[in-house]
Amino acid sequence: GAVVSQHPSWVICKSGTSVKIECRSLDFQATTMFWYRQFPKQSLMLMATSNEGSKATYEQGVEKDKFLINHASLTLSTLTVTSAHPEDSSFYICSARSDRGQGTGELFFGEGSRLTVL
Amino acid sequence: DAKTTQPPSMDCAEGRAANLPCNHSTISGNEYVYWYRQIHSQGPQYIIHGLKNNETNEMASLIITEDRKSSTLILPHATLRDTAVYYCIVRVATGSSNTGKLIFGQGTTLQVKP
Repeated sequence: GAVVSQHPSWVICKSGTSVKIECRSLDFQATTMFWYRQFPKQSLMLMATSNEGSKATYEQGVEKDKFLINHASLTLSTLTVTSAHPEDSSFYICSARSDRGQGTGELFFGEGSRLTVL
Repeated sequence: DAKTTQPPSMDCAEGRAANLPCNHSTISGNEYVYWYRQIHSQGPQYIIHGLKNNETNEMASLIITEDRKSSTLILPHATLRDTAVYYCIVRVATGSSNTGKLIFGQGTTLQVKP
């Protein structure tokens, strides 16, 4: 199946710093990618939809200035958590839909990136 | 908000079939039923999806009722590695007016026991 890779898989940072997480589709092009956040023992919560070459669409309640998304190419989307605080500690997961899979094609998910803010 | 209802947890004996139910009574005619699973601390994995007809692949079978208000995911011979959270999601087909995003509910935690 299609492969989506995230980097880093885990990161620890100090409060107030910014952290960038990359999401790459390795063997397909993805005009659209999605970013999710997951807290312990909870389900995935959609944060935003990332569109290549245009601004991301954020879900209600997600601060766009806090979570910067850039989708500069058809195979790469980045999520930057700016001025991270301990409450931003979470498991961040991206997903991508192959451009060839329009219609009913499944979304492919990355392995996730675990962020811990001290 | 998620449009599906699943039992929070289920147990299954190793080697037996695991039948995971899902209610989606408000499903629209253009919405598909998708199943994903998430093994602890990993990203979700696609299992199967369908619209009206029953579907089968190498991982599982999907049985959708005639009125489409509920479905059942069947893992025919569960193994310990099938222990995971299983998510049933309804989603419209991707098109010019929608992105096909997935909204996750709470899912069912399936525990396969030896």
